[in-house]
Amino acid sequence: DSGVTQTPKHLITATGQRVTLRCSPRSGDLSVYWYQQSLDQGLQFLIHYYNGEERAKGNILERFSAQQFPDLHSELNLSSLELGDSALYFCASSVRAGGLYEQYFGPGTRLTVT
Amino acid sequence: GENVEQHPSTLSVQEGDSAVIKCTYSDSASNYFPWYKQELGKGPQLIIDIRSNVGEKKDQRIAVTLNKTAKHFSLHITETQPEDSAVYFCAATPNNAGNMLTFGGGTRLMVKP
Repeated sequence: DSGVTQTPKHLITATGQRVTLRCSPRSGDLSVYWYQQSLDQGLQFLIHYYNGEERAKGNILERFSAQQFPDLHSELNLSSLELGDSALYFCASSVRAGGLYEQYFGPGTRLTVT
Repeated sequence: GENVEQHPSTLSVQEGDSAVIKCTYSDSASNYFPWYKQELGKGPQLIIDIRSNVGEKKDQRIAVTLNKTAKHFSLHITETQPEDSAVYFCAATPNNAGNMLTFGGGTRLMVKP
């Protein structure tokens, strides 16, 4: 158990809908990273938050957004969902941003868009 | 940006044998190289990492080597056991990238009892 929690574990929704994925980092970690894992694209970085502020964006679609709250939990919002958005979504946390700190991953949310 | 390639994509070994997975990276500024193990239905689990000021690191049956000149790093698992069966991912990140990880494509390791 990494100490990172994600909810829900599974999510099934229809095209065009909007969903919110939630992540709670390990106690004491200030950084949250979101990654998408799909069969054709592998594990890809989406976005990074540090202590409530966005720090970096990767291959994140404009339909996707995220935020980190004062209690350090983070939410990833996916809207206007398409079939191709079906994937595993992981969050990871680390103590700080940069500085080569280890990232610990949560168990993921499996999103299925029908 | 960084690009990480990982080989082989699948690896089958007999229990007790060694397994080696290799990765190459493109960005010479990368200086942190973690390895993750992902079991079915679970998130990636950090198993070992290496920083660019070190050439080799070992933790029990697992070792990682880094060649910065050639821009490649490898994972070595000795005395493999059936519970080592999983998908392994290498990753790389430069310090100035805010620690975001670029992953290799993964290696499915199967250890036959």
